[in-house]
Amino acid sequence: QKEVEQDPGPLSVPEGAIVSLNCTYSNSAFQYFMWYRQYSRKGPELLMYTYSSGNKEDGRFTAQVDKSSKYISLFIRDSQPSDSATYLCAMLRSGNTGKLIFGQGTTLQVKP
Amino acid sequence: SAVISQKPSRDICQRGTSLTIQCQVDSQVTMMFWYRQQPGQSLTLIATANQGSEATYESGFVIDKFPISRPNLTFSTLTVSNMSPEDSSIYLCSVDGEKVYEQFFGPGTRLTVL
Repeated sequence: QKEVEQDPGPLSVPEGAIVSLNCTYSNSAFQYFMWYRQYSRKGPELLMYTYSSGNKEDGRFTAQVDKSSKYISLFIRDSQPSDSATYLCAMLRSGNTGKLIFGQGTTLQVKP
Repeated sequence: SAVISQKPSRDICQRGTSLTIQCQVDSQVTMMFWYRQQPGQSLTLIATANQGSEATYESGFVIDKFPISRPNLTFSTLTVSNMSPEDSSIYLCSVDGEKVYEQFFGPGTRLTVL
């Protein structure tokens, strides 16, 4: 069983839709939960992070962590064609500097 | 944030040969990382490279296959040795940011082995 599971999609939505991206994980030691965005032929870039459980909002993006269910989500409101990319969840244990564990990534296409 | 460049951006290589990938950062960084991103697979950490010490390899990756150099605080190389088609992948380097959860990635090297 992989430590982090993510549905690879692809996911196609119309512009303006609300997008929900999810990951599940098995290692209860994870404390940091990140979402990276990767455009085609580019490296991933950090989009959001959450420490432990809870919600975090940044503009049109909301990250949620439910440690009891080992489930994290990224919501994108009012999705735009420029949001079309691959979204990777990543997780990190406290004290494990640099050892990010990534999900497969979900490919999102937002159609105008 | 750090700006990272990689060379080459892509290459097509023959089975049994080796390829060295370069990673250059525009500022001095403590930790550099090498990842592999295979089609349909998650980004997988190959090794961590600290300047002045041997690279630390993750389970499933060995130095003979993926030798790494880290001669200074802005540069690292990854060699993919004795390549087979299974080594076809995107190889990315990254560097640590100010936050423990933050890494900055290069654009990747797209490798195809025939």
